[in-house]
Amino acid sequence: KQEVTQIPAALSVPEGENLVLNCSFTDSAIYNLQWFRQDPGKGLTSLLLIQSSQREQTSGRLNASLDKSSGRSTLYIAASQPGDSATYLCAGRDDYKLSFGAGTTVTVRA
Amino acid sequence: DAGITQSPRYKITETGRQVTLMCHQTWSHSYMFWYRQDLGHGLRLIYYSAAADITDKGEVPDGYVVSRSKTENFPLTLESATRSQTSVYFCASSALNGYTFGSGTRLTVV
Repeated sequence: KQEVTQIPAALSVPEGENLVLNCSFTDSAIYNLQWFRQDPGKGLTSLLLIQSSQREQTSGRLNASLDKSSGRSTLYIAASQPGDSATYLCAGRDDYKLSFGAGTTVTVRA
Repeated sequence: DAGITQSPRYKITETGRQVTLMCHQTWSHSYMFWYRQDLGHGLRLIYYSAAADITDKGEVPDGYVVSRSKTENFPLTLESATRSQTSVYFCASSALNGYTFGSGTRLTVV
């Protein structure tokens, strides 16, 4: 069973600072890894999907990397804004099932 | 509108009652999933379905029943609700571009 860990559980940064969110997984035979954003009381919004054959994906200020050999993925958010405050979840896919980390709650201070 | 919709958004029910949560998707994705989200446990898979009439248990299936007579619908039934089933329930479907989640149903069992 894929185990996914996210450290730290919470992070507070001043506006403009770059964010680095970490995700580790136990099974290197991961099919793909997906990053989600969740606002309080809301659903999950997909941010980036990295296939197992890829090393990274980029969308605007977001960049996610995947290193299967070390079992790690990192989400970078450049020039953070207060609107980036949310919980960020990573999830690794085995078969057709996703295993989620517990998330990192980010607060960007204005 | 295209997408994945869940109903109801909020539900309060009494212990012992049967309750059904609805999930509908417009893409004809083969795979659909039910997750529950709880503080301290994160997102856990309840049941999933690979196609119409094909369902399988996830991590926490006890007390739940699913069916999938049509590709687009995947209802989740709590046969006799218990307080421990108070949670936020998310339905999802998956395709090559990853998982897409519904907005969730917040269920309270009193």
